[in-house]
Parts: sequence; structure tokens; C-alpha cells
Amino acid sequence: GQQLNQSPQSMFIQEGEDVSMNCTSSSIFNTWLWYKQDPGEGPVLLIALYKAGELTSNGRLTAQFGITRKDSFLNISASIPSDVGIYFCAGIAGGTSYGKLTFGQGTILTVHP
Amino acid sequence: KAGVTQTPRYLIKTRGQQVTLSCSPISGHRSVSWYQQTPGQGLQFLFEYFSETQRNKGNFPGRFSGRQFSNSRSEMNVSTLELGDSALYLCASSPGDFSNQPQHFGDGTRLSIL
Repeated sequence: GQQLNQSPQSMFIQEGEDVSMNCTSSSIFNTWLWYKQDPGEGPVLLIALYKAGELTSNGRLTAQFGITRKDSFLNISASIPSDVGIYFCAGIAGGTSYGKLTFGQGTILTVHP
Repeated sequence: KAGVTQTPRYLIKTRGQQVTLSCSPISGHRSVSWYQQTPGQGLQFLFEYFSETQRNKGNFPGRFSGRQFSNSRSEMNVSTLELGDSALYLCASSPGDFSNQPQHFGDGTRLSIL
């Protein structure tokens, strides 16, 4: 099935560093979402973006909805050990796409203390 | 507010058997979606139910089916299990009134096929 192109696949960083990851698509999405998944748990919603060009923050996390509606990025500032996990972008095409999220492949984040 | 609850957390089955997974959404949420998560294919959409009706369906064979009850609880059934069905099955809920409402996930059911 269709997936979003998410990069990088993995990141190894030192505590305190900033992190950036992004997602691109060949088609338009009306909503972009960012989730984090810890081992043995389901994805947890971090940020939701509803409008092209929108920039939204949640604590140390900042995400933007690309103006073409075909991309989004997530930044994490001053990383801490508990930021470790897998980050997923997801898009909702809109219209009649009720309940249907299209996901990126995920970015595995490792933070060294 | 209680989150999305999935039962059981773990299941072991053999090829050819069938299995039923259960999901209780967040109180007040009427939309329930199901996803399959595997290392190779990532997170793939199975189907979505709203007010006991399937509104959307992904690209999975007919062996995968679901239903929703009047209290919005949902079940997913997989018949004639294959080795490739081994995966984490995730349920997510949302209010369901608008297609752009974010979904909230449960912790999944880990299904292993022997």
C-alpha cells in the first residue's frame, strides 16, 4: 500500500542536540500528524497540523505543514534520553478518508546520555 | 479519561485457525480503525467502522473482517491464519464526525502464528 517517504530511517545523537526529520508524499494530504511509539506500546499523538504552512509547537517539539501539502517536518530541540523511540508521520487525504491514516516508515531515534 | 483498550495483548495461534481481537474506543468516540504493523510493511490500514458501518477499507484479503457494536466497541476477525499474519494489530479511535480528526491508538495485540 501507499506509504509516505520518511527520512532519516534512524538517528544516533547526543543528549542536548537538536533533531530534524521529514516526510514527503507524491500526493496531497489535508492533515499531517506526528506520532511516537515506544517498545510494546501503540503510537502516541504528538502534534496535529491542519493547514498548509501551519507551524505548531508542543514543548520541545515543533512541526510544520508544507505549503505544497505534500510534506511535513518535525524538529525536537535539546533532546533528552526519554526522546528515544520511533517517530512516525501520518497523513489524512481528506474528503471521505474517514479513519484512514497513511504512515511513513518511521525514524528510529537513539539518544546517548 | 480512559484510553483505547485492546484485548488480548498477546495471542499465539497456528496456521489455519481463526482469531478475534477486541477494541474498546475512548468514551464518546464513534470511529474505530484497525491497522496491521509489521517490520517489513510498516503500519497498514485495514478498515474503519463508524456507527456499526464499515466506511473505509484497505487492501487486505477477505480473510480480514471486522464489526462494530452499538456501544462503538469493535472486533476484528482473521480466518484461515497464515504465517504472514504474524503482526502487531493496532486499534485507533476518533470522534469520527470529520475525516481530519486525529486518531488515538491502543497498545495493540501481538499475534504470533506458528
